[in-house]
Amino acid sequence: GAGVSQSPSNKVTEKGKDVELRCDPISGHTALYWYRQSLGQGLEFLIYFQGNSAPDKSGLPSDRFSAERTGGSVSTLTIQRTQQEDSAVYLCASSLGLAESYEQYFGPGTRLTVT
Amino acid sequence: QQPVQSPQAVILREGEDAVINCSSSKALYSVHWYRQKHGEAPVFLMILLKGGEQKGHEKISASFNEKKQQSSLYLTASQLSYSGTYFCGTDSYGNNRLAFGRGNQVVVIP
Repeated sequence: GAGVSQSPSNKVTEKGKDVELRCDPISGHTALYWYRQSLGQGLEFLIYFQGNSAPDKSGLPSDRFSAERTGGSVSTLTIQRTQQEDSAVYLCASSLGLAESYEQYFGPGTRLTVT
Repeated sequence: QQPVQSPQAVILREGEDAVINCSSSKALYSVHWYRQKHGEAPVFLMILLKGGEQKGHEKISASFNEKKQQSSLYLTASQLSYSGTYFCGTDSYGNNRLAFGRGNQVVVIP
């Protein structure tokens, strides 16, 4: 079946512009996660959703970052007034639920470059 | 609360064994292991749960010491396909919100 998809795969933007990153989770997966991976680094947790609700937004780096999920499916991560330090690969993952026994399936990521 | 992974990198010849480790300072509900190849998404390998249950897709074995908050992944009779960066993700909330370590880079050579 179809896996997690993300778009765009690559995004180059100028400093100060807003960007939107999209994630389509696996059908039927109620939990959705956003991570950021900088060059040579691990995965940094940003936010997760159970259904359309985001119980924990503490991982968002600043108030320039926001995310929403609609219809329990597609999620959008928005970065306003982008800065060069926002350059990274943004990964989305989904799982059947929030229990600790569920594996997360990752999408291919969006590589964001802020010039 | 990022877990610490060691060693940072390991090089081994095809057929050799290696152990990579993940250590947390917090009590854990579970430890997840993923492997990422260059330019690709992380791929699920295994979950180790408090209480001893394990779930995994590959013939890779692992252990989870709940008291020490440590997990080890055992790469036995390594194959070239084992090359990649291994990340452990730890769940200290019981809600699958994972904190990932910096990764163990594994290179298997012929």
